[in-house]
Amino acid sequence: AQSVSQHNHHVILSEAASLELGCNYSYGGTVNLFWYVQYPGQHLQLLLKYFSGDPLVKGIKGFEAEFIKSKFSFNLRKPSVQWSDTAEYFCAVNTGNYQLIWGAGTKLIIKP
Amino acid sequence: NAGVMQNPRHLVRRRGQEARLRCSPMKGHSHVYWYRQLPEEGLKFMVYLQKENIIDESGMPKERFSAEFPKEGPSILRIQQVVRGDSAAYFCASSRDSTNTGELFFGEGSRLTVL
Repeated sequence: AQSVSQHNHHVILSEAASLELGCNYSYGGTVNLFWYVQYPGQHLQLLLKYFSGDPLVKGIKGFEAEFIKSKFSFNLRKPSVQWSDTAEYFCAVNTGNYQLIWGAGTKLIIKP
Repeated sequence: NAGVMQNPRHLVRRRGQEARLRCSPMKGHSHVYWYRQLPEEGLKFMVYLQKENIIDESGMPKERFSAEFPKEGPSILRIQQVVRGDSAAYFCASSRDSTNTGELFFGEGSRLTVL
């Protein structure tokens, strides 16, 4: 069955630290890949997405993600986090229809 | 993205009661999706509806759960005779078209607690 794994359920960092959140999926075909973010008390919103082309994708708020097909990975990165990045981050995969397959999420806490 | 409205935000029910969760999609969107998030798990697809039609309910439990999206008014997710295992966050999303791009717009979720 198709699945998405996010390696860390909780991550705590200090401001200005670098961030990398892991995401791996299991599906051998063509995929569309997404990172969504949910800030405290707010709705889920799209952070960035990959459909095709350059595997390094830039999103909002300084986030980027790299699609490595050979590793079935789509890790999220940010060089220097801020307190306002405290949120829950979800990786999701679409395999060609309207259904998204979601990871369990990573709760990121940034200490001021 | 202020458009997808879900209510109630929090709902507490006792076992055996009914829960009704409402979702008003973004203006101009006629496709609605319901997802459920159990504690410490990712979102799981439940049902996909268009106005007056259920397109795909493959993720819905076979009993006690139903969904509708009438011609007028919000989409409703109805859970009859709730049990403790129904405690979860229920997210609604909408899109303008049936899309495989994943560009869904989400509501803030409805958190159901069953006592």
